[in-house]
Amino acid sequence: NAGVMQNPRHLVRRRGQEARLRCSPMKGHSHVYWYRQLPEEGLKFMVYLQKENIIDESGMPKERFSAEFPKEGPSILRIQQVVRGDSAAYFCASSPQGARNTGELFFGEGSRLTVL
Amino acid sequence: TQLLEQSPQFLSIQEGENLTVYCNSSSVFSSLQWYRQEPGEGPVLLVTVVTGGEVKKLKRLTFQFGDARKDSSLHITAAQPGDTGLYLCAGRSIIQGAQKLVFGQGTRLTINP
Repeated sequence: NAGVMQNPRHLVRRRGQEARLRCSPMKGHSHVYWYRQLPEEGLKFMVYLQKENIIDESGMPKERFSAEFPKEGPSILRIQQVVRGDSAAYFCASSPQGARNTGELFFGEGSRLTVL
Repeated sequence: TQLLEQSPQFLSIQEGENLTVYCNSSSVFSSLQWYRQEPGEGPVLLVTVVTGGEVKKLKRLTFQFGDARKDSSLHITAAQPGDTGLYLCAGRSIIQGAQKLVFGQGTRLTINP
C-alpha cells in the first residue's frame, strides 16, 4: 500500500501530556498538509510543509502546536500540554510538487486524538 | 480569509430521490474540488472543476462550477444508500507559488432504503 500512512490511528492522552502524530506521504510526494476535523465538521487547515521547510502555518495555533517534515523520515505534528479541546481527528495529506499539479490531495486515514 | 459555506449541512432523503448540495463563497478560486468522506476514513477526491461554468458528470453525480468561480453545486440523481457520506467542497488557491486548499464544513448525506 503506497498511500499516505498515518500513525497512530488512535491516541489517548491525559491533559498536560504530549501528543505526537506521524505522517508518511505517498511515494514521490514532497508536500504534506495537516488538517484538523472536529465531529460533524469539515477540515480546518493547519500547516503546509515541504521537506525541511514550513510553507504556510497560518492555521496553526500560536502555542503548543508545532510541525516538521525532516529530510529523512515522516512529518510530525506535535501537540504539547494537550487540553480537552485538542480532541479531534488530525488528517495528513500529500501532493506532488505543490502547486504544479492537479491540486488533488491524497489523504491518510487520520489520527484520532482523545484527551481525557 | 477565504470561507466556503456548504448547504445544507445535513440531508436525509429516501432512496431514489434527487438532491443538490451547494458550496458558496465570496472568494474566487482557481479550481474547486469535491471530496467524499466515509466514517473513520480520510476524504477521497471525486472531481475537480477548473473553468467557470464547467459541468462534470460522474455516473449519477453532476458537478457544476459557477461562472465566476466562486460557487459550485453537486447534484445526485436517483440517490442510493451507497451515496451516504460526508461531502466536502474545497477551494484551491495558488498564493506565491504555494497551493492552499480551503474546505467547507461539509454536507452529511443519509440515503434511507
